[in-house]
Amino acid sequence: KNEVEQSPQNLTAQEGEFITINCSYSVGISALHWLQQHPGGGIVSLFMLSSGKKKHGRLIATINIQEKHSSLHITASHPRDSAVYICAAYVQGAQKLVFGQGTRLTINP
Amino acid sequence: DTEVTQTPKHLVMGMTNKKSLKCEQHMGHRAMYWYKQKAKKPPELMFVYSYEKLSINESVPSRFSPECPNSSLLNLHLHALQPEDSALYLCASRDYRGSAPDTQYFGPGTRLTVL
Repeated sequence: KNEVEQSPQNLTAQEGEFITINCSYSVGISALHWLQQHPGGGIVSLFMLSSGKKKHGRLIATINIQEKHSSLHITASHPRDSAVYICAAYVQGAQKLVFGQGTRLTINP
Repeated sequence: DTEVTQTPKHLVMGMTNKKSLKCEQHMGHRAMYWYKQKAKKPPELMFVYSYEKLSINESVPSRFSPECPNSSLLNLHLHALQPEDSALYLCASRDYRGSAPDTQYFGPGTRLTVL
């Protein structure tokens, strides 16, 4: 079992829908990244959070440390949001990120 | 400037070639990373440099040789690679804020094909 698990693995939705991607982890962490990767492209960090909630435009990320769970929400989804979304956690005491397997999101017009 | 640059964008090499990948950042970050990413998989950590010293080597074969000439530059030297080493190679950097982790910034990657 991976230390960081994401669900769903694949998600297809219509433009305008509200999207939720979930991330659960089984180890103590100091912070968690939500990353975005477009096909064939590099990786962009959307958020890094260690508690509470962060918002940037149509994207919202939340984390519940007690439940070891984080979610990424996209409001009013758009075809340009189609990408792979990866959650990655800094395990406590470690310099490195532990990655989830990614969620492939497709938004149809 | 929150940019990590990588060159080249694409590289095709034979199994007997020697080549190098280059990564540069001018954000003053003191930690730099090399990752390997195969298609439809998350990145796999290869190396971490901290304050220009190699701090993590994830049991990477010796045909990959990292180098950190200065705090802004990270190289990955490649020699006698195998076709299965074909992948996207990503560089990243981050700063240290005491014991708290900071955001990792990723470069666009070098897509490597080994023939």
